[in-house]
Amino acid sequence: AQSVTQPDIHITVSEGASLELRCNYSYGATPYLFWYVQSPGQGLQLLLKYFSGDTLVQGIKGFEAEFKRSQSSFNLRKPSVHWSDAAEYFCAVGAGYSSASKIIFGSGTRLSIRP
Amino acid sequence: ETGVTQSPTHLIKTRGQQVTLRCSSQSGHNTVSWYQQALGQGPQFIFQYYREEENGRGNFPPRFSGLQFPNYSSELNVNALELDDSALYLCASSLGRESGNEQFFGPGTRLTVL
Repeated sequence: AQSVTQPDIHITVSEGASLELRCNYSYGATPYLFWYVQSPGQGLQLLLKYFSGDTLVQGIKGFEAEFKRSQSSFNLRKPSVHWSDAAEYFCAVGAGYSSASKIIFGSGTRLSIRP
Repeated sequence: ETGVTQSPTHLIKTRGQQVTLRCSSQSGHNTVSWYQQALGQGPQFIFQYYREEENGRGNFPPRFSGLQFPNYSSELNVNALELDDSALYLCASSLGRESGNEQFFGPGTRLTVL
């Protein structure tokens, strides 16, 4: 069965510091992989996605993620965080095509920014 | 272009009652997915509707049901509410039912069951 693990429940980084959020997935085939961000009281916003090709994908707001098949990982990175990046981040895997095409989310990592 | 909207924003019900949540999809999108997000958890897939037919269902009991209308808006109905149904319910629309299609999420409906 497909699953997504985000091992870090809460991370605090200083403004201007670099960031890496970890994500591991379990899926039998080449997955569709996503990172979403959720701010308080807001819906989910897609940061970036990976389907195939270049394993380093660029997203919005200066985020990037690298797909590593050998490690079943899709970690999210940002070289310099801003206070506005404080939010909940969800890694997700797309499961299926046409039928029961659902997205499976991890449990999330809450990011706090230290001034 | 109007984004995904959901109503109501908040709702309080008591155990055993029934509730209907509504979602208007983004213009041009023919697929709507519903998710339940319990406090401190990631969203869990409830079901998806594609062109007015159910196109897949997660691990939720039959008392969770849905509809999609010809204009692709959608409803989520929950019967016989239980305390554990308290959660944020998210609706997402997309152009097509494939997993690779970007899903655009609404702000959610916060349901509290007392």
